[in-house]
Amino acid sequence: DAGITQSPRHKVTETGTPVTLRCHQTENHRYMYWYRQDPGHGLRLIHYSYGVKDTDKGEVSDGYSVSRSKTEDFLLTLESATSSQTSVYFCATGLALQSSYNEQFFGPGTRLTVL
Amino acid sequence: KNEVEQSPQNLTAQEGEFITINCSYSVGISALHWLQQHPGGGIVSLFMLSSGKKKHGRLIATINIQEKHSSLHITASHPRDSAVYICASAKYYGNNRLAFGKGNQVVVIP
Repeated sequence: DAGITQSPRHKVTETGTPVTLRCHQTENHRYMYWYRQDPGHGLRLIHYSYGVKDTDKGEVSDGYSVSRSKTEDFLLTLESATSSQTSVYFCATGLALQSSYNEQFFGPGTRLTVL
Repeated sequence: KNEVEQSPQNLTAQEGEFITINCSYSVGISALHWLQQHPGGGIVSLFMLSSGKKKHGRLIATINIQEKHSSLHITASHPRDSAVYICASAKYYGNNRLAFGKGNQVVVIP
């Protein structure tokens, strides 16, 4: 267990409001990831970070932004939430070792509903 | 076409049956991961394979690099094995990213 927490665990919000999800890790892992999980799609990468202040887009990044000011924390922001962003969001972390074969450790997930 | 394809999408078995679920991938990889997600639950890593076979309890994972195919076997299945099993591939020259399949939904009936 990589000691990954996500907050909040559940959130209901209205269309057009900003939302920030937080991921916190205690394992000093270099890589952090935000995914969304929807029926029929599996896990899809939103954004990821390869170090403090170093982030890059994933396959479904439109409408999302991220920030990483400390190793431990990776924030996902929906600037203006839409109903299509209703989903379960997972944070994950990973080591920067070639021998780790990209193994990732997942947080418990955040269920977000946008009305 | 997804990089990672899993089959069958849904599987129902009676308790005690032997279960096999499959994963095919389309590009060369350094490793193949199997993950488990219980209903409403988090995602945990079961296996990480770069060749051959691995066993943990009643779970066995195999990989055939030449055929770009992996299988996850559950022996003497139990209702607590009911979960979604997710296959993910790590590329040789990737950026520490994984490509995920859509998952196999397994239900074991008592």
